[in-house]
Amino acid sequence: EIVLTQSPGTLSLSPGERATLSCRASQSVTGSYLAWYQQKPGQAPRLLIYGASSRATGIPDRFSGSGSGTDFTLTISRLEPEDFAVYYCQQYGSSPWTFGQGTKVEVK
Amino acid sequence: QVQLVQSGAEVKKPGASVKVSCKASGYSFTSYDINWVRQAAGQGLEWMGWMNPYSANTGYAQKFQGRVTMTKNTSISTAYMELSSLTSEDTAVYYCARVATPIANWFDPWGQGTLVTVSS
Repeated sequence: EIVLTQSPGTLSLSPGERATLSCRASQSVTGSYLAWYQQKPGQAPRLLIYGASSRATGIPDRFSGSGSGTDFTLTISRLEPEDFAVYYCQQYGSSPWTFGQGTKVEVK
Repeated sequence: QVQLVQSGAEVKKPGASVKVSCKASGYSFTSYDINWVRQAAGQGLEWMGWMNPYSANTGYAQKFQGRVTMTKNTSISTAYMELSSLTSEDTAVYYCARVATPIANWFDPWGQGTLVTVSS
């Protein structure tokens, strides 16, 4: 099973700042089959990025994903008030599909 | 639009079973796998397994093998997840999620979630 470790656990930033979230895999993720999701309190997760770097439909271009192998990054170029949430990475290259433990982006 | 609508909250006693439904609309139900993911309060996401609505083939996370059953009723475009021998550790929100394409396993969209509470 591939273990995904996200860092930091919590990111305290102000609106307008840049957020950089990391997701590290215990072994190489096949085909860069890595997705990122955003989750707000009381809501289901929402897909942001798939294939490590492809934005899902309707996702603003301030969200970008990068990486391959075992190291992946989600970048939010300029934080908007609605971006403060918890973010999860997920690998879907090797069964069982697994999620990271999440990074909370909070208002500083 | 593509939508997954889940059944309502459940309260169960330890040792009982729960069956959660997930009704799909806006697409061909048999063309996309349905996955189930759960989330305990304040915790992360935990993948439970998948079901192919066309073949009824399933794959379960090892942790849930022998305790979870994923089924479907094609005539009403509904997937089900049944979890047995419940304990307090099964208290969580359970989500169904469709794979985004027939050949790739990222999840989009998700159902709204169903809270299952296990309490004596």
